[in-house]
Amino acid sequence: GESVGLHLPTLSVQEGDNSIINCAYSNSASDYFIWYKQESGKGPQFIIDIRSNMDKRQGQRVTVLLNKTVKHLSLQIAATQPGDSAVYFCAENERGGKLIFGQGTELSVKP
Amino acid sequence: DSGVTQTPKHLITATGQRVTLRCSPRSGDLSVYWYQQSLDQGLQFLIQYYNGEERAKGNILERFSAQQFPDLHSELNLSSLELGDSALYFCASSPRTGREAFFGQGTRLTVV
Repeated sequence: GESVGLHLPTLSVQEGDNSIINCAYSNSASDYFIWYKQESGKGPQFIIDIRSNMDKRQGQRVTVLLNKTVKHLSLQIAATQPGDSAVYFCAENERGGKLIFGQGTELSVKP
Repeated sequence: DSGVTQTPKHLITATGQRVTLRCSPRSGDLSVYWYQQSLDQGLQFLIQYYNGEERAKGNILERFSAQQFPDLHSELNLSSLELGDSALYFCASSPRTGREAFFGQGTRLTVV
């Protein structure tokens, strides 16, 4: 069946370091991917998205990489800050249909 | 503030009861999604509506139903509630399908 999973459930980094959060997806027909950040007690917050016709997209301090060959998605956060501590979810969307979320990775930033 | 409004924020009810959760999407957004998030779980897709029509269905229980009204707000109805239905229920909206979805702050449902 369709699934989106994350390689690591938790990630601990030092403030100022770069963070990389990985995600594997299984639906090769997915054509749109999104990363969300969820802080405790809040709803998921959109970070960055990428379409399947791209392999890289950059935002402010964040970069998403898409490798369709191995069905892998990653989120890179540069100069990680304490405010980046949260759970990060990847999500996939197939041709405008349902948006399926992965399990989530908890990012902990040590000062 | 995402622009998506969910009410109520908290709800405590007894087993066997029925509740209705309400979602007002961002202005102009036609697509509404509902998700369930249990403790330490990810976001489980329940159902999606687009401009009043059901667009996609996930693992939504038969005890649960939803609808999207002409003014585009949506309601999620949960009936014959069980303890295991206790969770955060999120609504999200997007301008159209295949675009980023913006989430509300959720309704925390506690079934006792």
